[in-house]
Amino acid sequence: DAGITQSPRHKVTETGTPVTLRCHQTENHRYMYWYRQDPGHGLRLIHYSYGVKDTDKGEVSDGYSVSRSKTEDFLLTLESATSSQTSVYFCAISRGDSGSTDTQYFGPGTRLTVL
Amino acid sequence: DAKTTQPPSMDCAEGRAANLPCNHSTISGNEYVYWYRQIHSQGPQYIIHGLKNNETNEMASLIITEDRKSSTLILPHATLRDTAVYYCIVRTNAGKSTFGDGTTLTVKP
Repeated sequence: DAGITQSPRHKVTETGTPVTLRCHQTENHRYMYWYRQDPGHGLRLIHYSYGVKDTDKGEVSDGYSVSRSKTEDFLLTLESATSSQTSVYFCAISRGDSGSTDTQYFGPGTRLTVL
Repeated sequence: DAKTTQPPSMDCAEGRAANLPCNHSTISGNEYVYWYRQIHSQGPQYIIHGLKNNETNEMASLIITEDRKSSTLILPHATLRDTAVYYCIVRTNAGKSTFGDGTTLTVKP
C-alpha cells in the first residue's frame, strides 16, 4: 500500500463544531486530494492540492477548506460541521509528473458522523 | 474530464471471466482511461489504465475500442475476492477526476 495515513479514522461530532481531518503521505507525491463518499454513490472531489500552498476546488467544495503547508500533509477543515457532511472521507495522492500518467493512490478513509 | 457510464451491477460465476464495460463517448485525445475498484468500505484500489492500446497487468486486461469511446475491463478468472465496486474514470495527467457510481460486481460460487 502507498504510504498514506488518515487521522482520525472515526469521528463523531455535533452540528456547528469545527472539524479537521488530516492526510499524511510518505511518498513525496506532488498532488493530494480529498474526496467524500456517501452511501450508494461514488467518490466526489472536494478539494485538491498541486503543491505546497497550492490548492483548487473540486465539485463539492462548499463548506470545506483545505491547507497544505508541507508536502506530506493535507488538511481538510469543516469550519462548522452540518449533518449533510456526515460521510466517509478519502484522501488520495498522485505523483503529478509532467508528461506522465497519474495514478491516484487512496488512503483508508475517515468515517465522520455529524449529529 | 469526460463523464463515464457503467452498468450499475453485474454478476459473474467464480472462475469465469468478468467483462465490465464502460462508455466514455466524450473522451478527448489526451485523456487516459483508468479503472479502480473498492472492496467493502476500503479506499479505492488502482487496477489498470490505458490511452489507446490494450493493456494487461497481473490483475486485469483493458480493451479500448479504436475510437476510444468505450472500454472493457476483463478479470480473466474471477474469484470471490473480486466482488467489489469497479470504477471507470477518464482523466488527463494529474488534477481533477470524476468518479461515477461504478459497477457492483458480484462473483458467485
